[in-house]
Amino acid sequence: KAGVTQTPRYLIKTRGQQVTLSCSPISGHRSVSWYQQTPGQGLQFLFEYFSETQRNKGNFPGRFSGRQFSNSRSEMNVSTLELGDSALYLCASSFQGVNEQYFGPGTRLTVT
Amino acid sequence: GENVEQHPSTLSVQEGDSAVIKCTYSDSASNYFPWYKQELGKRPQLIIDIRSNVGEKKDQRIAVTLNKTAKHFSLHITETQPEDSAVYFCAATGTASKLTFGTGTRLQVTL
Repeated sequence: KAGVTQTPRYLIKTRGQQVTLSCSPISGHRSVSWYQQTPGQGLQFLFEYFSETQRNKGNFPGRFSGRQFSNSRSEMNVSTLELGDSALYLCASSFQGVNEQYFGPGTRLTVT
Repeated sequence: GENVEQHPSTLSVQEGDSAVIKCTYSDSASNYFPWYKQELGKRPQLIIDIRSNVGEKKDQRIAVTLNKTAKHFSLHITETQPEDSAVYFCAATGTASKLTFGTGTRLQVTL
């Protein structure tokens, strides 16, 4: 089976812009979770989608949003980018829930 | 919410020695505890996991133990090799059914 894929792999944006990241889960996986990874804060949970519904949400401001499509592909959007949003954004998929999550390669976002 | 503490933050061992990484969690309802290995510039990779109805699980040179009473779990790597060098993350699920990660342990295996 193909693994989790994420596009784009790298992004450079300026403050105030918005960005959309994409994640394609492993075939058959219906749950997609998003994480932000930074050297200072480690891996922090953003949100989880299952069957097109957001089931869980982390402690991030409303500028961070996401959605999931009927084919389980997911996107996350960050509006009004801030310098502190620079991070590696990882998505992970599983058959259902948080058990046995498999990560994608991540999107490295740099905000200047 | 769930809080996961991980120690040590860095660990250096000689090739062939054992390495132990420890984590504690706060939510007694947590029932799933995975460990991930992340090599430099790569994605986190699930290496082993344990559920709350099991006390120990082994897979070749790696093992995980869980003490539900004390709310801690540990990763044990025996006969370490240079390719074991990476950052290791523990995680736990709380009542919200989302993964909370520890802050990571950078393991360095020296020749």
